[in-house]
Amino acid sequence: NSKVIQTPRYLVKGQGQKAKMRCIPEKGHPVVFWYQQNKNNEFKFLINFQNQEVLQQIDMTEKRFSAECPSNSPCSLEIQSSEAGDSALYLCASSLYLGGDYAEQFFGPGTRLTVL
Amino acid sequence: TQTVSQSDAHVTVFEGDSVELRCNYSYGGSIYLSWYIQHHGRGLQFLLKYYSGNPVVQGVNGFEAEFSKSDSSFHLRKASVHWSDSAVYFCAVSVNTGNYKYVFGAGTRLKVIA
Repeated sequence: NSKVIQTPRYLVKGQGQKAKMRCIPEKGHPVVFWYQQNKNNEFKFLINFQNQEVLQQIDMTEKRFSAECPSNSPCSLEIQSSEAGDSALYLCASSLYLGGDYAEQFFGPGTRLTVL
Repeated sequence: TQTVSQSDAHVTVFEGDSVELRCNYSYGGSIYLSWYIQHHGRGLQFLLKYYSGNPVVQGVNGFEAEFSKSDSSFHLRKASVHWSDSAVYFCAVSVNTGNYKYVFGAGTRLKVIA
């Protein structure tokens, strides 16, 4: 079973408000991914980190989304100005390796964001 | 760009039946294949993976999957399902270069009738 911790489980915001969610990866996992899962079960990769460094992020996250994985602190994903279309389940995953035979990603329970 | 296709949106079986959930992908390079299960309102739980070696891989709770390069497939199977297997199953592919992100299929909702 995954030991990735995500908080809060549910988040309700008004349009234009900030929304911040946190993720504690499994102990010893240096690689962290963030995905957005919409109500149609479509997944969108947002950003990933190796240790504290951003590996890649999509254009969406470069504009309204910000994320970080500081040393000895939870990773976080923040939406600066929430929009209705941001309502989704935000999933954090961690893995031991980037590529290769042991690169499976372990997911947290997700943060369900509702933007009213 | 790799794509993942799960041809069956819904599968319904009776408890004790066998089941196969289909996954086909399009990519010719080195890839990493996984299956995940998602119960209602929860995160994704890892079932199994294939990267190299024996094309038949065993996972948790009696699940297994078989990789076929010729068919570009990675179908998931279980010999005898239990009502608790009712969930949505996602096939995921990652390319072993670049950002290593997962590309997910659309999911197959499995309903097991007790």
